[in-house]
Amino acid sequence: DSGVTQTPKHLITATGQRVTLRCSPRSGDLSVYWYQQSLDQGLQFLIQYYNGEERAKGNILERFSAQQFPDLHSELNLSSLELGDSALYFCASSYRGLGETQYFGPGTRLLVL
Amino acid sequence: GNSVTQMEGPVTLSEEAFLTINCTYTATGYPSLFWYVQYPGEGLQLLLKATKADDKGSNKGFEATYRKETTSFHLEKGSVQVSDSAVYFCALGGSNDYKLSFGAGTTVTVRA
Repeated sequence: DSGVTQTPKHLITATGQRVTLRCSPRSGDLSVYWYQQSLDQGLQFLIQYYNGEERAKGNILERFSAQQFPDLHSELNLSSLELGDSALYFCASSYRGLGETQYFGPGTRLLVL
Repeated sequence: GNSVTQMEGPVTLSEEAFLTINCTYTATGYPSLFWYVQYPGEGLQLLLKATKADDKGSNKGFEATYRKETTSFHLEKGSVQVSDSAVYFCALGGSNDYKLSFGAGTTVTVRA
């Protein structure tokens, strides 16, 4: 158990819908990262937050957004969902950032029908 | 930018066989290197790491040495078990980059 929690574990929805994925980092960690894992693109970094502020952005679509709240939990919002958004979404956390070990949650498996 | 190239597999082995998974990287500065493991239906777990050249990471019988001269971080285990069946990811944490850059993953299946 990494100490990172993610909810829900599974999510099934329809095209055009909007969903919210939630992540709670390990106790004491200030940084939260979101990754997408798909069969065709592997593990792709989406976005990082540090202590409530966006710090780094990766291959995140404009339809996707995230935020980190004062209690340090984070939410990833996916809107106007397409079939191709079906993937496993991981949250990870670390204390601060550069070069540190990132501890991953169990993931949310999203299926868009 | 930073990148990781990893032997893709799949790799199928018999129990007690020797396992090696090749990983090479491209990075500026002094990255940290990681191996993560993903068991079926689960998330990524840190297997081992090394933060500077010539460091050896080890855990659960797995080892990997950070070789700066060959930009490599190959994973090895001397005697695999069925329970080692999983997908293994090599990853790089750059000294100038907040994200982890992952290899494509190597699926390992160990047969009894």
